[in-house]
Amino acid sequence: EAGVAQSPRYKIIEKRQSVAFWCNPISGHATLYWYQQILGQGPKLLIQFQNNGVVDDSQLPKDRFSAERLKGVDSTLKIQPAKLEDSAVYLCASSYVAGVQETQYFGPGTRLLVL
Amino acid sequence: KNQVEQSPQSLIILEGKNCTLQCNYTVSPFSNLRWYKQDTGRGPVSLTIMTFSENTKSNGRYTATLDADTKQSSLHITASQLSDSASYICVVRASGTYKYIFGTGTRLKVLA
Repeated sequence: EAGVAQSPRYKIIEKRQSVAFWCNPISGHATLYWYQQILGQGPKLLIQFQNNGVVDDSQLPKDRFSAERLKGVDSTLKIQPAKLEDSAVYLCASSYVAGVQETQYFGPGTRLLVL
Repeated sequence: KNQVEQSPQSLIILEGKNCTLQCNYTVSPFSNLRWYKQDTGRGPVSLTIMTFSENTKSNGRYTATLDADTKQSSLHITASQLSDSASYICVVRASGTYKYIFGTGTRLKVLA
């Protein structure tokens, strides 16, 4: 089966610019996650969707970050305006069932560098 | 506070040698613990998932152990290969929530 797709793979922008990332989860996966992974750290959850509804966005900096998952499939994550500290890898993951034994499948990530 | 701590932060071993990575957690109530392997430039890939009642689980040369009483887990890699060079991340899920608490990972380098 095809894995989680993300684009772009790399992005370099200047601070105060806007940027958007796209994620296409594995077909049939109802749950979709966006993580931020700063170099040398573990991933930090930004937002979790169940179909097209938000389950958890408690760690999403809502003054600059936004995410949507229209029709419960693809998702976009936007940063506006970007700050230097937003430089990180943005990982998208999906899972079939949000249960005890669920397995998250991660995409390759989008590496963002803010100058 | 729910936390996951891993040690060592980094490790260098020679090809063919064994190694053990440690994970201590304070997540409560506990649901399950996972070990992920993350190759450079890739997303994490699940190696094992263990629930409260499981003490050990193997996946090829990877063997994970769990002591729910002491809240410790280890990942043992046998006969290491160059392809084992990666970051290994311990992730604990709290019961009754969808939250995953990630450790900062152990960076393993296997040398020929």
